[in-house]
Amino acid sequence: AQSVTQLGSHVSVSEGALVLLRCNYSSSVPPYLFWYVQYPNQGLQLLLKYTSAATLVKGINGFEAEFKKSETSFHLTKPSAHMSDAAEYFCAVSEGFSGGYNKLIFGAGTRLAVHP
Amino acid sequence: GAVVSQHPSWVICKSGTSVKIECRSLDFQATTMFWYRQFPKQSLMLMATSNEGSKATYEQGVEKDKFLINHASLTLSTLTVTSAHPEDSSFYICSATVAGRREQYFGPGTRLTVT
Repeated sequence: AQSVTQLGSHVSVSEGALVLLRCNYSSSVPPYLFWYVQYPNQGLQLLLKYTSAATLVKGINGFEAEFKKSETSFHLTKPSAHMSDAAEYFCAVSEGFSGGYNKLIFGAGTRLAVHP
Repeated sequence: GAVVSQHPSWVICKSGTSVKIECRSLDFQATTMFWYRQFPKQSLMLMATSNEGSKATYEQGVEKDKFLINHASLTLSTLTVTSAHPEDSSFYICSATVAGRREQYFGPGTRLTVT
């Protein structure tokens, strides 16, 4: 069965600093991986996705993630944090198609704080 | 593209009453819609999956008779919380997907408060 572990429930960085949010997955099949961002009292917005093509995936808002099979990781990075990046970030793995549809398994989330 | 809306964005209801939440895909036809529940500062918990024209599939531990889901068309799914109680207060989020795609597109969520 698939699972996702996000290391660090809270990450705090200074504005302009590197953002690194960690995600490790477990999957018995080649995984499809996602990063979503959630702002307070809002739904989830897709940042980027890995679908077995390029291992380095670029997303919106300057974020990118690298798929490392040997480490079963899909860490999210951004070179320079902005105040507007403060939000909750969720890593998710596709469970695969079953019954004609695909479920996502979410990690517990990482709250990113950005301070001046 | 791939916009999902929810209505209402927030609702307050009295204990014992029922409340309906709508989830619509605005610019695409959603073959499958998902309903999640999210408690404060927690991750999303999948409640059920619905396909257009068929009965919803509920996750273990979710009461089918309490959380009624109807997926009447390829653009609309509804979640009705029946005989709501204060413990049903939560943030409910829907998502939609298209056949063959793995990503889900999320609605903005509905904050339900039961008094």
